[in-house]
Amino acid sequence: GNSVTQMEGPVTLSEEAFLTINCTYTATGYPSLFWYVQYPGEGLQLLLKATKADDKGSNKGFEATYRKETTSFHLEKGSVQVSDSAVYFCALKSRGSTLGRLYFGRGTQLTVWP
Amino acid sequence: EPEVTQTPSHQVTQMGQEVILRCVPISNHLYFYWYRQILGQKVEFLVSFYNNEISEKSEIFDDQFSVERPDGSNFTLKIRSTKLEDSAMYFCASSLRQGDNEKLFFGSGTQLSVL
Repeated sequence: GNSVTQMEGPVTLSEEAFLTINCTYTATGYPSLFWYVQYPGEGLQLLLKATKADDKGSNKGFEATYRKETTSFHLEKGSVQVSDSAVYFCALKSRGSTLGRLYFGRGTQLTVWP
Repeated sequence: EPEVTQTPSHQVTQMGQEVILRCVPISNHLYFYWYRQILGQKVEFLVSFYNNEISEKSEIFDDQFSVERPDGSNFTLKIRSTKLEDSAMYFCASSLRQGDNEKLFFGSGTQLSVL
């Protein structure tokens, strides 16, 4: 079946620290992979995505590489800011399934201190 | 950027009561979805809706649940007889189309507490 496992939170970092949030998946076939972010009081927003193996998704300084051999899609940022404090969700969509049929992880709360 | 709006942000109900969660999707969107997240668990897909019909539903979406687009702007999720385990954050989402390059737009959620 389809499933996403992401790193337990919360994660607390100082500004300018390096961030990694781990995400691994199980899926039938070759899924598309996503990171969504939820800022306080807002809805989930697409942060980045990758649709095939070795693709790198990037946005706002965040990156994630689709690794088929390790079934992973870890989120990284070289230097976090206070404004990055949010909940981050890893998700997958099976190939051929509808856009909204996403499988999410539990979310990882990130807090960045100045 | 346009927003999906969910009301109320927090709803409290008694076990066994009916509850309706309301969402206003983005005005020109055609596809609508509900998700939920029980505290500490994964965000789970409930249902997708297009052209006034359910297009897909998960095993969670049993006969206690129903969805409706009663007018041109609202999209609702009804739980007929709430149970304690229905306590969760419920997210509505919408999209214009279904392609891989399309985006889902999510509301900020309604926290449902069943007492």
